[in-house]
Amino acid sequence: IAGITQAPTSQILAAGRRMTLRCTQDMRHNAMYWYRQDLGLGLRLIHYSNTAGTTGKGEVPDGYSVSRANTDDFPLTLASAVPSQTSVYFCASSVWTGHNEQFFGPGTRLTVL
Amino acid sequence: KNQVEQSPQSLIILEGKNCTLQCNYTVSPFSNLRWYKQDTGRGPVSLTIMTFSENTKSNGRYTATLDADTKQSSLHITASQLSDSASYICVVTLETGANNLFFGTGTRLTVIP
Repeated sequence: IAGITQAPTSQILAAGRRMTLRCTQDMRHNAMYWYRQDLGLGLRLIHYSNTAGTTGKGEVPDGYSVSRANTDDFPLTLASAVPSQTSVYFCASSVWTGHNEQFFGPGTRLTVL
Repeated sequence: KNQVEQSPQSLIILEGKNCTLQCNYTVSPFSNLRWYKQDTGRGPVSLTIMTFSENTKSNGRYTATLDADTKQSSLHITASQLSDSASYICVVTLETGANNLFFGTGTRLTVIP
């Protein structure tokens, strides 16, 4: 049982390129989340999904899109990467949104040049 | 404005010593407060959770306290070990809404031999 996995572990990307960060969980959690973590700032929510088929915008959604075709997968896409999207990205999941504990993946370190 | 502030930003202690990390918040209405531990290069992992009616919660050598009146929490680490070196993040949950978690920026703890 892996819990929650992310791929790739790290990536260097040229500005303007499209990139999809993958996230998969095997805990059958309904809710999933994408955060970015930057030095000196707390984790900031990009997008979330309460359940398969639904998504919502978080605090910093611009430049990112997500989809939730099934319970397990929650990919994050950067349509045209910019240097300000250089960050560490964490995917998380919880049984339901709201008050439940969130379980985090190991993160993807993305560098946009 | 809903905010979570942690202090100190960083801390260096000798192995075997105790330490206390602080978290002040202005999140309201309050639902619960969690402390997460984030090892370098890993995702955060939940240590403790406290609701409004709880004022202390222990997890091994970690003891969290909560004063809901003053909106303050602390995380006390007893007999520190090298493996305690990590960032400790305070997360406060708002009572309502799906996008309702507020993250502190964390305290970076380094335990030296």
